[in-house]
Amino acid sequence: EAEVAQSPRYKITEKSQAVAFWCDPISGHATLYWYRQILGQGPELLVQFQDESVVDDSQLPKDRFSAERLKGVDSTLKIQPAELGDSAMYLCASSLSSGSSNEQFFGPGTRLTVL
Amino acid sequence: KQEVTQIPAALSVPEGENLVLNCSFTDSAIYNLQWFRQDPGKGLTSLLLIQSSQREQTSGRLNASLDKSSGRSTLYIAASQPGDSATYLCAVRPPPGANSKLTFGKGITLSVRP
Repeated sequence: EAEVAQSPRYKITEKSQAVAFWCDPISGHATLYWYRQILGQGPELLVQFQDESVVDDSQLPKDRFSAERLKGVDSTLKIQPAELGDSAMYLCASSLSSGSSNEQFFGPGTRLTVL
Repeated sequence: KQEVTQIPAALSVPEGENLVLNCSFTDSAIYNLQWFRQDPGKGLTSLLLIQSSQREQTSGRLNASLDKSSGRSTLYIAASQPGDSATYLCAVRPPPGANSKLTFGKGITLSVRP
């Protein structure tokens, strides 16, 4: 069964360091999403890609976060510099396209701890 | 702005009990509603998806209902088992024409005691 892949699964870093997360969506899925989930909260969308283009990054803290999906397949989310408040689960999801009828499938997530 | 509420935040029940998890949303103009399960430190697993035109969906011991006009959904778990212990989140999706941004509740953490 096709799955969304993410790596690493866990990351511990010190504040002010740079971190990067990788996501490989289900093959053929044009839309890719990055969510952040703080402990005890629901996931919140950080950025949405349609192929290689960003269609929604309104909640992405652009002073320190960046995301790219250069070839419209896999994607990287970067934080530089990391802050204590960035400790969270970072979830990647994908769907066939961006329409509301398309179900999103989630990866296992990357748990980030900033010390 | 759509808001999704799940109360209570945590629930503990003895094994074998039938239980209902509640989800409410402020804007009834939704396209569909989805229930997810999340085990500690893990990603989200989709359980049930209900389209706005549907009243309920069933999968095994799970049954989800939707009352769009009142902004409510329930997830019914029959004959609960310790393996059902997890956090259950509901999420709503806006209608076509907007982006497919899901709005999540904070989840209900369920503990089923043996």
